Amino acid sequence: GEEVAQTPKHLVRGEGQKAKLYCAPIKGHSYVFWYQQVLKNEFKFLISFQNENVFDETGMPKERFSAKCLPNSPCSLEIQATKLEDSAVYFCASDTDRGDVGELFFGEGSRLTVL
Amino acid sequence: SQQGEEDPQALSIQEGENATMNCSYKTSINNLQWYRQNSGRGLVHLILIRSNEREKHSGRLRVTLDTSKKSSSLLITASRAADTASYFCATDDMGGGSEKLVFGKGMKLTVNP
Repeated sequence: GEEVAQTPKHLVRGEGQKAKLYCAPIKGHSYVFWYQQVLKNEFKFLISFQNENVFDETGMPKERFSAKCLPNSPCSLEIQATKLEDSAVYFCASDTDRGDVGELFFGEGSRLTVL
Repeated sequence: SQQGEEDPQALSIQEGENATMNCSYKTSINNLQWYRQNSGRGLVHLILIRSNEREKHSGRLRVTLDTSKKSSSLLITASRAADTASYFCATDDMGGGSEKLVFGKGMKLTVNP
């Protein structure tokens, strides 16, 4: 597609439940990035992929967060045993296959509320 | 790690006035970008300036970059109510050895009609 598509737009989970978010990057884009935005503040980098390979996972809380980008499927970000502090908007972005980080194309985000 | 820091944190102006936002960063960069976020929406790319450039224009936007001071400014001229949004600067993380953008905390601009 011509835009980054994220689903669902809103997700509500009770503490301890699992949450799974999806992202379809722009067709032809090789890089996918996940960011977390808490309370409309800064964007915290979580993880990036180059095609289906993890490129940089330095931002991931590894105990409960996992992500995948499999061929012919939307990328996913999964949070096991959600906590209150996981409440945030999760943004996915994609980029073309370039040598340096150029313009990122962002989706509209998935708002996760943990009660 | 936090890289860009926008200044001021919030700005309220009248339509037609100019708005200037500043961004400081800490490490070496290849490029610096500015993004806009409307309320409840994703980030939209505005402009990219490379480390060997000092100034760049795009429509009503003017960006400057001073690598010696590790700072950038975004000027929006003849502002409109539709410019009301949060603005973020972002730098590529050269030190991390990976390709990701590191965003500042953002600056909320309100343009009053």
